[in-house]
Amino acid sequence: NAGVTQTPKFRVLKTGQSMTLLCAQDMNHEYMYWYRQDPGMGLRLIHYSVGEGTTAKGEVPDGYNVSRLKKQNFLLGLESAAPSQTSVYFCASSYPETQYFGPGTRLLVL
Amino acid sequence: SQQGEEDPQALSIQEGENATMNCSYKTSINNLQWYRQNSGRGLVHLILIRSNEREKHSGRLRVTLDTSKKSSSLLITASRAADTASYFCASLPNTGFQKLVFGTGTRLLVSP
Repeated sequence: NAGVTQTPKFRVLKTGQSMTLLCAQDMNHEYMYWYRQDPGMGLRLIHYSVGEGTTAKGEVPDGYNVSRLKKQNFLLGLESAAPSQTSVYFCASSYPETQYFGPGTRLLVL
Repeated sequence: SQQGEEDPQALSIQEGENATMNCSYKTSINNLQWYRQNSGRGLVHLILIRSNEREKHSGRLRVTLDTSKKSSSLLITASRAADTASYFCASLPNTGFQKLVFGTGTRLLVSP
């Protein structure tokens, strides 16, 4: 099993550009999450999903959108990137309580 | 912010010593979990303690939970250089859905 995978691993964007981060899990988990990690801030929840076709806002959802068209995939979109979105993004999945994390995507917005 | 807090922010010890990290959280919880993050990697689950438990062990890890003080501690005994990582506590509030609230983390450096 690959567990939770994320693509891309690293990306540089210019302000105003858009991109999609892809998360895939092969553990048949119902719940999936997107977090961002900034220095000294720990992990903050952006959006989450409780199952295929569902999404919900987390603690810091502004500027991001998500979709969960298939159970195994959870996409995070930035429609118009801003420097404040420079961060490391982690995807996770869980069922029921323990979360399994992907390796992260490092995003730099210039 | 609902984030929990951990102290110390950084801890430097020698191999063979014990390392203790503390975590405080803000709401009533269902359980509290500890995760490890090696540099440049994702988080890995270490141990879970439920709100009706006071202490739990797993190998060299010992976790305590004091719900009256809304605090937890993680003890790593006989530390090894390979234990060098950041450690995060994550509390699961009693609010229905599985949204973990992470602490700010403790950076542990274990020197040979």
